[in-house]
Amino acid sequence: GAGVSQSPSNKVTEKGKDVELRCDPISGHTALYWYRQSLGQGLEFLIYFQGNSAPDKSGLPSDRFSAERTGGSVSTLTIQRTQQEDSAVYLCASSLTRGGSQPQHFGDGTRLSIL
Amino acid sequence: AQRVTQPEKLLSVFKGAPVELKCNYSYSGSPELFWYVQYSRQRLQLLLRHISRESIKGFTADLNKGETSFHLKKPFAQEEDSAMYYCALRGTSGSRLTFGEGTQLTVNP
Repeated sequence: GAGVSQSPSNKVTEKGKDVELRCDPISGHTALYWYRQSLGQGLEFLIYFQGNSAPDKSGLPSDRFSAERTGGSVSTLTIQRTQQEDSAVYLCASSLTRGGSQPQHFGDGTRLSIL
Repeated sequence: AQRVTQPEKLLSVFKGAPVELKCNYSYSGSPELFWYVQYSRQRLQLLLRHISRESIKGFTADLNKGETSFHLKKPFAQEEDSAMYYCALRGTSGSRLTFGEGTQLTVNP
């Protein structure tokens, strides 16, 4: 596609439910990143994929958060037993390769609201 | 550890005035620095990166390793420059970007 695509654009769910957020990167981009932007804060790194593997998961805030990537393309971020502090905009980005001054291209994000 | 600080959450200038958005960083190696911009109702997009040493939309930014700064400058601000600006750093060992908290720039007519 023309850019990074994320779905859904908005998600409202009740505390305790599980949610899945989807990211479709730019075709041919091998690196994929998830970030989170909470109200009044900057973007916080969550996890990075190179192909289907995740060499850096250090930003995941708890074991309720997991992510996978299949076929070197689409990635899903899963949050189990959601809490109100999980409310944020979740951004996905992709780049042609890891590092090497390759810019990261961002999607529009998923705005997650936990009631 | 790597850290990016943007000391101003809000910055307001008049059209035609010079503008400088400050960014300071903390990193022990040689980082790559970026400026990203998010216009109203649009996605975050790359504005410029230090390695390119380019001017985009009249904006420039120079990496000052002595002062660990990467301030964004434009000599004559335009109303369409109103947006949220984020400074970001990527270290030599990884791919993650570390962002500052952003500066909301408003250019008044």
